Amino acid sequence: GDSVTQMEGPVTLSEEAFLTINCTYTATGYPSLFWYVQYPGEGLQLLLKATKADDKGSNKGFEATYRKETTSFHLEKGSVQVSDSAVYFCALSDRSGGSNYKLTFGKGTLLTVNP
Amino acid sequence: EAQVTQNPRYLITVTGKKLTVTCSQNMNHEYMSWYRQDPGLGLRQIYYSMNVEVTDKGDVPEGYKVSRKEKRNFPLILESPSPNQTSLYFCASSYRYEQYFGPGTRLTVT
Repeated sequence: GDSVTQMEGPVTLSEEAFLTINCTYTATGYPSLFWYVQYPGEGLQLLLKATKADDKGSNKGFEATYRKETTSFHLEKGSVQVSDSAVYFCALSDRSGGSNYKLTFGKGTLLTVNP
Repeated sequence: EAQVTQNPRYLITVTGKKLTVTCSQNMNHEYMSWYRQDPGLGLRQIYYSMNVEVTDKGDVPEGYKVSRKEKRNFPLILESPSPNQTSLYFCASSYRYEQYFGPGTRLTVT
């Protein structure tokens, strides 16, 4: 079945540092890929998405490129801020052979950014 | 404002006492879904619904029921809650792949 593996945290960075959170996936079809962010005490918010190979999703300074050859969707940001402290989830949606838009999530990576 | 709402946000209950967590969306989405979030396990789908009166099991449906009598509402029912259902629950809705999540319901079953 489908699965998502993302780097385990926690990740602690200083403000303005470069961020990479690795994500790789296994899927039977042609999935859409997502990064969701969960701020403390809140629900999940879609951060960015990519629906086909070589697409780059971007939002709020974050970027991720859909790499089919390496089955990866790594999240990057050039300069993190304290306000980026949150849990980040990589996820995929693969409807091959079905009608369920189910998201398969990684386990999440806690990011803490210190001033 | 487009949103998914859930109630209650926090609930502490005892084993065996039936409860319902409500979910409502105002985006006219046909697809709705419930997930539970547990430490170290990420989020797992409980049930989903493609439209009114159409529901199906997700990955972890045991101990849960759902209904979809109206497009906007998708309540999650625990007929006889047990401690292993202590978790953080999220409702989501979507037009297609991009899902919108509610704020979550933190349930504790003692």
